[in-house]
Amino acid sequence: AQTVTQSQPEMSVQEAETVTLSCTYDTSESDYYLFWYKQPPSRQMILVIRQEAYKQQNATENRFSVNFQKAAKSFSLKISDSQLGDAAMYFCASGETSGSRLTFGEGTQLTVNP
Amino acid sequence: KAGVTQTPRYLIKTRGQQVTLSCSPISGHRSVSWYQQTPGQGLQFLFEYFSETQRNKGNFPGRFSGRQFSNSRSEMNVSTLELGDSALYLCASSPQDRANTQYFGPGTRLTVL
Repeated sequence: AQTVTQSQPEMSVQEAETVTLSCTYDTSESDYYLFWYKQPPSRQMILVIRQEAYKQQNATENRFSVNFQKAAKSFSLKISDSQLGDAAMYFCASGETSGSRLTFGEGTQLTVNP
Repeated sequence: KAGVTQTPRYLIKTRGQQVTLSCSPISGHRSVSWYQQTPGQGLQFLFEYFSETQRNKGNFPGRFSGRQFSNSRSEMNVSTLELGDSALYLCASSPQDRANTQYFGPGTRLTVL
């Protein structure tokens, strides 16, 4: 079984600044995947970034990057040059290599202040 | 490519009724998963279908069922609705070469009165 924990229910950041969202997970799988999804007020879940656990290199997608610490079971998301459109609920999720089942954290509500 | 589509987007039902939700995956995706999102329980996995077969199932009562058609479209059915079934139901599809990466539809907001 997998569990995902996001300890920050709410975060805020000034426009153009950098913010880091935290996530820890637990899994008995030897190989797995980690994800960050964004859910704006429209409620559409949007994939932000994907990390394969067997890869040492941290994933990066434009202004979004992760800090993956496998031994510590930590997977944080860094958003650089924050924009107003980044305001949303952010969910951390883990997935097994077999099948498509995702386990989600509780979410972090990010506010971007102009 | 068009994204995942879900119909209807909003639905209001009364206790005891049944409901069917529909999901069309991204073209070429054969895996479809369903999730329930509520303020109290968060996002919970319902089930996954691949090639018309249920491949994985979450911890939900038997009132929740699903199926997948030969064109990969999927339906989810909830019978004997309860107030607690009020939720946002999200469907997601996955490509074969990245089976663990899911792309979500806009969801169906179900309200049970």
